[in-house]
Amino acid sequence: EIVLTQSPATLSLSPGERATLSCRASQSVSSYLAWYQQKPGQAPRLLIYDASNRATGIPARFSGSGSGTDFTLTISSLEPEDFAVYYCQQRSNWPRMYTFGQGTKLEIK
Amino acid sequence: QVQLVQSGAEVKKPGSSVKVSCKASGGTFSSYAISWVRQAPGQGLEWMGRIIPILGIANYAQKFQGRVTITADKSTSTAYMELSSLRSEDTAVYYCATRFRVTDGAFDIWGQGTMVTVSS
Repeated sequence: EIVLTQSPATLSLSPGERATLSCRASQSVSSYLAWYQQKPGQAPRLLIYDASNRATGIPARFSGSGSGTDFTLTISSLEPEDFAVYYCQQRSNWPRMYTFGQGTKLEIK
Repeated sequence: QVQLVQSGAEVKKPGSSVKVSCKASGGTFSSYAISWVRQAPGQGLEWMGRIIPILGIANYAQKFQGRVTITADKSTSTAYMELSSLRSEDTAVYYCATRFRVTDGAFDIWGQGTMVTVSS
């Protein structure tokens, strides 16, 4: 099973700052890497799929990069509504399985 | 726009089973796989398994093999997740999820979640 490790566990920043979140896979996942945002009491919201494609309606300040085993989610300038927990998720080919990272909490400094 | 609407909260005794439903509307139900993901209180997301309704084929995460059964009823556009031999550690919010506008590596449509509490 592919394991995803996210870092840091908690990131403390101020509105307007740039956020860089990391996700590392235990083996190559090609570009099958997605990022989600989750706020308390809500279902996860897809931000990025296939490593770098923004989902419908996602602001341009969110961007994803990477391939293979190392991936990054960047939020260029934090808005107050961006403070939440972020998860990465991968898809393996056969059998078709999915795993999530343990999450990064982005909190207001 | 596809929407997924789940059944309501459940309270179960240890050792019993729970069956959660997920009804799809606004799209072609059978085309894409429906996955189930759970989240224990204060914890992360955990993928449990998925089904391709048009084929009726399901596959499961190893952790849940033998204890979870995912089925789909094409006539009502509803997917089901049944978890047996419940224990306190199964207390969680259970989500169904699928893809609509993205490739088969991510989930852009989620149900609202169903809270399952296992308690004696």
